[in-house]
Amino acid sequence: DTEVTQTPKHLVMGMTNKKSLKCEQHMGHRAMYWYKQKAKKPPELMFVYSYEKLSINESVPSRFSPECPNSSLLNLHLHALQPEDSALYLCASSRQPGYNEQFFGPGTRLTVL
Amino acid sequence: DAKTTQPPSMDCAEGRAANLPCNHSTISGNEYVYWYRQIHSQGPQYIIHGLKNNETNEMASLIITEDRKSSTLILPHATLRDTAVYYCFETSGSRLTFGEGTQLTVNP
Repeated sequence: DTEVTQTPKHLVMGMTNKKSLKCEQHMGHRAMYWYKQKAKKPPELMFVYSYEKLSINESVPSRFSPECPNSSLLNLHLHALQPEDSALYLCASSRQPGYNEQFFGPGTRLTVL
Repeated sequence: DAKTTQPPSMDCAEGRAANLPCNHSTISGNEYVYWYRQIHSQGPQYIIHGLKNNETNEMASLIITEDRKSSTLILPHATLRDTAVYYCFETSGSRLTFGEGTQLTVNP
């Protein structure tokens, strides 16, 4: 299984809602990543988890809260988002931290109203 | 900040080789060159990487100049499904920083 899955595929939420994005991989990878991609722009790194611990936070606002419950799962909890947070959220994993052959999921298309 | 430069767009005829250049003039000795692509509305896909020797896999070939300041990704027989944005990176392993990439359009 060489796949990274993300749910949901699409999400529409209001600015007062709380929602979560989910990412899963069963390749035994020990590093997992969240990226944000605005339309017609390249992906931007948000968070890196290494061996289930947060190792990099790229100064992301606290309304985004990552969680890694186990080595296969990565969540991104969303609360009080702004319309400018609307974007494609991509999850990726790699065999180890610093190993840059990353496997990306298809992304969650988020719209904040 | 991205340290690589790539042309914003290129066209290629179907069946011909696509040669995508990348300049990475500030690359240091322990940094690898990586290439990814992103087909519209999909997640990025790893293609290939190298340090100083040329590399080939089932998807592409990577030619790195002797001074390592530039590289070329070669898709030997481009197909319509190769239409995508192609990104090159230089990295020593801590993270990937995407630049603007090259939009490759393969035409029938």
